[in-house]
Amino acid sequence: GAVVSQHPSRVICKSGTSVKIECRSLDFQATTMFWYRQFPKKSLMLMATSNEGSKATYEQGVEKDKFLINHASLTLSTLTVTSAHPEDSSFYICSARDGLGFRNTIYFGEGSWLTVV
Amino acid sequence: AQKVTQAQTEISVVEKEDVTLDCVYETRDTTYYLFWYKQPPSGELVFLIRRNSFDEQNEISGRYSWNFQKSTSSFNFTITASQVVDSAVYFCALGARNTGNQFYFGTGTSLTVIP
Repeated sequence: GAVVSQHPSRVICKSGTSVKIECRSLDFQATTMFWYRQFPKKSLMLMATSNEGSKATYEQGVEKDKFLINHASLTLSTLTVTSAHPEDSSFYICSARDGLGFRNTIYFGEGSWLTVV
Repeated sequence: AQKVTQAQTEISVVEKEDVTLDCVYETRDTTYYLFWYKQPPSGELVFLIRRNSFDEQNEISGRYSWNFQKSTSSFNFTITASQVVDSAVYFCALGARNTGNQFYFGTGTSLTVIP
């Protein structure tokens, strides 16, 4: 079945540095990808929606200069946390929509744990 | 506006008991999708089921069953004869076609199955 791969699954970075998280659709073309953030014991919060070849649409309150999203191809979207701070430590999950047909099935990546020290 | 409500924050049951997780949704869209995901302690989201708004048939998959009722805007999830491996956080989610299938998640229900 369709698979979305997210990498890295865990990353530790120093405060002030940038870190990139990749989200790949392995066997389908993802016209739309979504990035979510989850705080401990909280629901998933949508950060942004990215469509291939265009700028991402950010949710209210999400800093687009801090969370850079690039959806350069139909199988890859990246989230770059710039100048990371400890409060950016969280669990980030991407999802990708299979753009074919009416099914509009959405598949999730495995998630990435980011710890900023 | 789209909204998903999971009123049960935490549930504990003894192994082999049945348990129902509630999900109530709000949407103005006529075409929408409802999902249940399981999130074990490792964090990944495991897809359980997707239901389209025009398909109100209930579904059973092994020990899992889902009751979709448009009249009450509910999409409840029942685990029969629960097992310890069922312990996880369960999320109900709504995806509406008119919003590009952006997901709206409930706050999740943390299920603990006690051996």
